[in-house]
Amino acid sequence: AQKVTQAQTEISVVEKEDVTLDCVYETRDTTYYLFWYKQPPSGELVFLIRRNSFDEQNEISGRYSWNFQKSTSSFNFTITASQVVDSAVYFCALSEAGWVTGGGNKLTFGTGTQLKVEL
Amino acid sequence: DGGITQSPKYLFRKEGQNVTLSCEQNLNHDAMYWYRQDPGQGLRLIYYSQIVNDFQKGDIAEGYSVSREKKESFPLTVTSAQKNPTAFYLCASSIGRGNTGELFFGEGSRLTVL
Repeated sequence: AQKVTQAQTEISVVEKEDVTLDCVYETRDTTYYLFWYKQPPSGELVFLIRRNSFDEQNEISGRYSWNFQKSTSSFNFTITASQVVDSAVYFCALSEAGWVTGGGNKLTFGTGTQLKVEL
Repeated sequence: DGGITQSPKYLFRKEGQNVTLSCEQNLNHDAMYWYRQDPGQGLRLIYYSQIVNDFQKGDIAEGYSVSREKKESFPLTVTSAQKNPTAFYLCASSIGRGNTGELFFGEGSRLTVL
């Protein structure tokens, strides 16, 4: 069975600090996809990134960066120079690749990390 | 604008009543999903549908029912059999077969049982 663990329930930082959100996953699939979503107070989940299991290159997008390490089954998310607008709940998620009988594109979510960025 | 519309945003229900949450998408996506979110538990899959007139149970389907008569619509009924229905409900969609890309989410419906 797939499982995603986000051990950090809540993180508080002061604006401009860097912050890393941890994500550890478990799967028996050799091909899978990992995601990060942001949930602002409005409630809607916003897609941030998708990585497939064959691509371990780190990715940077503006102030966001992601570190995927298959050896430790981790997919951590770093926000550099955090801002108040980054305050949200962040979810890491795992998906089996393609259509699997009866499975579809089901995402398994972690429990989320509440990030609070204060002035 | 393309997207997913959920209604109502807030809903109050008395115990023993069935309620239906609406989810409409104009993204031309084949697949649609219902998730339930509880504090500290992340998102859990209730039902999903890969194509019109077909749907599958997710991890916590008991006490819920769905229909998929149109591609654009995937309503969720919370029945009186659902023991603890107070939660935040999120509808999502994705392109469909062969896609391993992201889900697109609505803004959610918050159900409170009085």
